[in-house]
Amino acid sequence: EIVMTQSPATLSVSPGERATLSCRASQSVSSNLAWYQQKPGQAPRLLIYGASTRATGIPARFSGGGSGTDFTLTISSLQSEDFAVYYCQQNNNWPWTFGQGTKVEI
Amino acid sequence: QVQLQESGPGLVKPSETLSLTCTVSGGGSISSDDWSWIRQPPGKGLEWIGYIYYHGNTNYNPSLKSRVTISIDTSKNQFSLKLSSVTAADTAVYYCARPDFSTGTVDYWGQGILVTVSS
Repeated sequence: EIVMTQSPATLSVSPGERATLSCRASQSVSSNLAWYQQKPGQAPRLLIYGASTRATGIPARFSGGGSGTDFTLTISSLQSEDFAVYYCQQNNNWPWTFGQGTKVEI
Repeated sequence: QVQLQESGPGLVKPSETLSLTCTVSGGGSISSDDWSWIRQPPGKGLEWIGYIYYHGNTNYNPSLKSRVTISIDTSKNQFSLKLSSVTAADTAVYYCARPDFSTGTVDYWGQGILVTVSS
């Protein structure tokens, strides 16, 4: 099973600042990497797929990059609604696996 | 807009079988789409349990494969999860979901149901 490791566990930022989240795979997943946002008591919401393609309706301040084993999610200017937990997920090998999440807090 | 709603007992005793149902409504077709179950232990990350293709073939997470069954009931527009021999480690929020195999992601999720394993 491919292990996804996210860092940092918690990221403290101020509104309007830039946030960069990292995700590393235990082996190459090519560009088969997605990012989700989850708020308390809610199901995750898809943000990015194919490492860098924004899902429908996702604002341009969210961007994804990387390939192989190292990936990033960047939020260019944090809005109040962006404070949440973010998960990466690989879909290169079954079972598809998620990282443990990065909490973005004020 | 696909809508998914989980239902089932919120409390299951150790060694018993957890059984959940997901009702599909809105734009989803139980007989032409693929379906999945994902779980999240309290305060932890997400784990893919498995999925079922519209034609009935299944694929399960190897870590759970010996205990999991996912099935479809087209007459009721529902799909189901059975997880046998549960322990406290199976306590989690269980989500039903629709996977999009073209992107390798989930595009629709249920709201989730908390299932606690305790005597």
